[in-house]
Amino acid sequence: RKEVEQDPGPFNVPEGATVAFNCTYSNSASQSFFWYRQDCRKEPKLLMSVYSSGNEDGRFTAQLNRASQYISLLIRDSKLSDSATYLCVVNMGNTPLVFGKGTRLSVIA
Amino acid sequence: GAGVSQSPSNKVTEKGKDVELRCDPISGHTALYWYRQSLGQGLEFLIYFQGNSAPDKSGLPSDRFSAERTGGSVSTLTIQRTQQEDSAVYLCASSLVVAGNTGELFFGEGSRLTVL
Repeated sequence: RKEVEQDPGPFNVPEGATVAFNCTYSNSASQSFFWYRQDCRKEPKLLMSVYSSGNEDGRFTAQLNRASQYISLLIRDSKLSDSATYLCVVNMGNTPLVFGKGTRLSVIA
Repeated sequence: GAGVSQSPSNKVTEKGKDVELRCDPISGHTALYWYRQSLGQGLEFLIYFQGNSAPDKSGLPSDRFSAERTGGSVSTLTIQRTQQEDSAVYLCASSLVVAGNTGELFFGEGSRLTVL
């Protein structure tokens, strides 16, 4: 089983739609969780951390389910500028962050 | 500089040649990481440095790959006798400390390596 798994997509959604991505991780001792965003041919950038209680940043909501070992990212009112690849990232302890392969989102006018 | 700087941005080389990729991290960042990303693939961890030491070299694909960091700053990733499967974007990142709970790595724009 891969350490961090994501549906590669693509998710093609119209502007204004709500879209959700899930990610599962294999190591139950994983300590912290993040979503990164990577635009086409650009470097990844931190989008948001994922807290146990769930957290929201504007149109973006991240949630963690430790029992089921999955993380989710919800984007409301999608914008064209949200088109990117979203990377699920896990800190499994005293090792560098482990990145999923990403989920590609295309928001269509 | 303000961000992580990598050079060259693009490198085309012939199979069997050696290449050196350079990373200049954000000033004051003690941790430095090398990842690579092949077309349509995720980020593959290669190696990281805490200061000048590399506690984890487990991701280096073969003994043709090596990396060093001097002065707690600039790092060089060297690939000897390049093969076509080495073609990828090599991404360098730095963080203030080894990125644990903050999770924030600052990436450079990458060095795109093409081995013919």
